Amino acid sequence: KQEVTQIPAALSVPEGENLVLNCSFTDSAIYNLQWFRQDPGKGLTSLLLIQSSQREQTSGRLNASLDKSSGRSTLYIAASQPGDSATYLCAVRDSWGKLQFGAGTQVVVTP
Amino acid sequence: DAGVTQSPTHLIKTRGQQVTLRCSPKSGHDTVSWYQQALGQGPQFIFQYYEEEERQRGNFPDRFSGHQFPNYSSELNVNALLLGDSALYLCASSYAGSYNEQFFGPGTRLTVL
Repeated sequence: KQEVTQIPAALSVPEGENLVLNCSFTDSAIYNLQWFRQDPGKGLTSLLLIQSSQREQTSGRLNASLDKSSGRSTLYIAASQPGDSATYLCAVRDSWGKLQFGAGTQVVVTP
Repeated sequence: DAGVTQSPTHLIKTRGQQVTLRCSPKSGHDTVSWYQQALGQGPQFIFQYYEEEERQRGNFPDRFSGHQFPNYSSELNVNALLLGDSALYLCASSYAGSYNEQFFGPGTRLTVL
């Protein structure tokens, strides 16, 4: 059974620092991994998707890596801003399209 | 191009009642999945619909049922509501022919009193 864990559960950093968010999963038979952002009480916004054959994906200040063999992904956010404050969720996808989520990392960026 | 839409935004029900939530997928998408997100937790998969049939189901009781229409929109029905059914219900759409990203709607906040 796939289990997804995100560490830390919460993170507070001053503006300008780089953010490092970790995600681990127990079953390496995944089709892709997706990182989402969720603002309080809102839906999920897709940030990055990494296919199982890829090692890395970048979009602007965001960079996500994937090591399928060790069951790990890391999301890096460079030069954090107060607007980056949100909960970040990772999810792995199975062959049918089902997403298995971690519990998320709550990020606060202080001015 | 409208993204994934869900209705209603908020809903308040009492224990034992029944509720129907609705979802319209992103244009070009043919697969709809439903997730339940309790406060402070990650979303949990309920089920997925493709070609008007339930293709995969998570660990949820039969009180949770769904339907997909020919235009790919979908409904989630929950019978005999319990206090523990209070959550944010999220709908996600995707295209079955690819492993591309799934897009989520804004969710429906269900409160059971």
